[in-house]
Amino acid sequence: KAGVTQTPRYLIKTRGQQVTLSCSPISGHRSVSWYQQTPGQGLQFLFEYFSETQRNKGNFPGRFSGRQFSNSRSEMNVSTLELGDSALYLCASSLGDTSYEQYFGPGTRLTVT
Amino acid sequence: ILNVEQSPQSLHVQEGDSTNFTCSFPSSNFYALHWYRWETAKSPEALFVMTLNGDEKKKGRISATLNTKEGYSYLYIKGSQPEDSATYLCAFIGGSTLGRLYFGRGTQLTVWP
Repeated sequence: KAGVTQTPRYLIKTRGQQVTLSCSPISGHRSVSWYQQTPGQGLQFLFEYFSETQRNKGNFPGRFSGRQFSNSRSEMNVSTLELGDSALYLCASSLGDTSYEQYFGPGTRLTVT
Repeated sequence: ILNVEQSPQSLHVQEGDSTNFTCSFPSSNFYALHWYRWETAKSPEALFVMTLNGDEKKKGRISATLNTKEGYSYLYIKGSQPEDSATYLCAFIGGSTLGRLYFGRGTQLTVWP
């Protein structure tokens, strides 16, 4: 069974631009979560989507948004990029059952200059 | 703000040593505690999903215990091997925020041959 895939793997953007990251979950997984990791920080929860609905949201500004499609693929968008948005963005999928066990993708490394 | 603390931050041991790390989390409103292993240049992988007070889980040389009443979990590695070198993350799920994982900053383990 194919794992979680994320595209692109690396991205360089300029302050003020916007970016869209994509995540394809494991087949059959209905939940997709997004996390941000910056140097010295643990994984920070951005949001979780389940069956195309945002089920949970972390403490990030409104510049961070996401969506999930009917095939469970998910996208995350960051508008008006700031230098502090430079980070590794990880997507994780889960069955959507009561364990919430996360299966992580390889991540997208975003650099904002 | 919900805090999940891990200690120590980093650990260097010799091959064959046994080691353990701690994850502290809120003792109220507990739902589940996850342990993940994150090797360099790879994606985090789930080790254990723990839900019951007194739970003990084992996978090969790695085991974990859970005390929900006092809010801590221990991860043990018996006879550490160089391939155990990784960052070990714990993640707390609260009963009122199902689907949202609160990660600690991790314990970085280096096993020297």
